[in-house]
Amino acid sequence: QKEVEQNSGPLSVPEGAIASLNCTYSDRVSQSFFWYRQYSGKSPELIMSIYSNGDKEDGRFTAQLNKASQYVSLLIRDSQPSDSATYLCAVNTGNQFYFGTGTSLTVIP
Amino acid sequence: SAVISQKPSRDICQRGTSLTIQCQVDSQVTMMFWYRQQPGQSLTLIATANQGSEATYESGFVIDKFPISRPNLTFSTLTVSNMSPEDSSIYLCSVEIRAYYGYTFGSGTRLTVV
Repeated sequence: QKEVEQNSGPLSVPEGAIASLNCTYSDRVSQSFFWYRQYSGKSPELIMSIYSNGDKEDGRFTAQLNKASQYVSLLIRDSQPSDSATYLCAVNTGNQFYFGTGTSLTVIP
Repeated sequence: SAVISQKPSRDICQRGTSLTIQCQVDSQVTMMFWYRQQPGQSLTLIATANQGSEATYESGFVIDKFPISRPNLTFSTLTVSNMSPEDSSIYLCSVEIRAYYGYTFGSGTRLTVV
């Protein structure tokens, strides 16, 4: 079982819609959780971090964490074509940092 | 967050040669990490570089193939040795500024071996 799992996609949403990205992790002692955005040919860019159960909002982005169910999600409201990218979920267990394989998102104008 | 300057940004190399990738951080960091990202795949950790000690390599990666230097708290190099086409990939360095605050990445080196 992989440490971090994501649906590879591709996920397509129309412009203005809500994009929902999901991630599950296997290590119950994981401490902190992150979402990275990676444009094609570019390096990953940290866009959200979350450390406690519940929701964390930053602009159009909302990260949701449920430690009991071991999942973390990212919602992108009012999706824009510029949001088209691969989104990587990452988990810090305290000993190591694990990345998921990423979900490819395409926002259709 | 930290700013990492990584170079070269890309290179095309002949098989059997070596390439050294450099990363410079604008602040002192204890650990620097080297990742590989093969086309269409996620990030794979190659090794962790601590200043003043040998790098720690992940399973499947060895020092002879990927020697790493860490001469001070702001700089590190990764060498890809005796390259083959299978080494064609993006190589990324990264740092963790504060515990549990996520990693920042350099701009990456796109390597093509022909």
